[in-house]
Amino acid sequence: DTEVTQTPKHLVMGMTNKKSLKCEQHMGHRAMYWYKQKAKKPPELMFVYSYEKLSINESVPSRFSPECPNSSLLNLHLHALQPEDSALYLCASSPEDTGRETQYFGPGTRLLVL
Amino acid sequence: QKEVEQNSGPLSVPEGAIASLNCTYSDRGSQSFFWYRQYSGKSPELIMFIYSNGDKEDGRFTAQLNKASQYVSLLIRDSQPSDSATYLCAVNGGGANNLFFGTGTRLTVIP
Repeated sequence: DTEVTQTPKHLVMGMTNKKSLKCEQHMGHRAMYWYKQKAKKPPELMFVYSYEKLSINESVPSRFSPECPNSSLLNLHLHALQPEDSALYLCASSPEDTGRETQYFGPGTRLLVL
Repeated sequence: QKEVEQNSGPLSVPEGAIASLNCTYSDRGSQSFFWYRQYSGKSPELIMFIYSNGDKEDGRFTAQLNKASQYVSLLIRDSQPSDSATYLCAVNGGGANNLFFGTGTRLTVIP
């Protein structure tokens, strides 16, 4: 079962709100990822967690704060977002982060910032 | 900056024809190559991966890799209307599992 789940499916928030996106996988994967995808653009990597430690932060603004509470869960905390942050946020996981691993994507959270 | 380039299309083929999708990449150290299919409003779904030069077949799909030319392609035989989607080429460099995506090719299969 190659399933990654994400909640919520849709989120509307104001620029002063604080919200969190949640991602979960039960495949025993040790690497998890957050991507941002704008309309008609490819996914852009934001963060990589490997063995519950942050290994890559692609110069993402501090209003996005990732958290990996355990090996199955990945959160993305959102605070003081801007309208241009509206996008599809994708979570993915892979067995390891060795460079040859297939990444499996969740269904995404569609975020609208007003 | 690692670059992955695809013809954005749209590519239109009649039902039953072969669709050919192409991708080039800039980093010679790239080790693994992936094709994802993405329907409008949905997340990317893995179609194929390939690591070695040559062809790899899976059902109606064939991935082709030529590392010397830094070129990877996806052939879809007997194209179906349900194959209509955006196809994303993704390349992984050495080291950490950082995927670089092309901009995608939009494929339309005409019934």
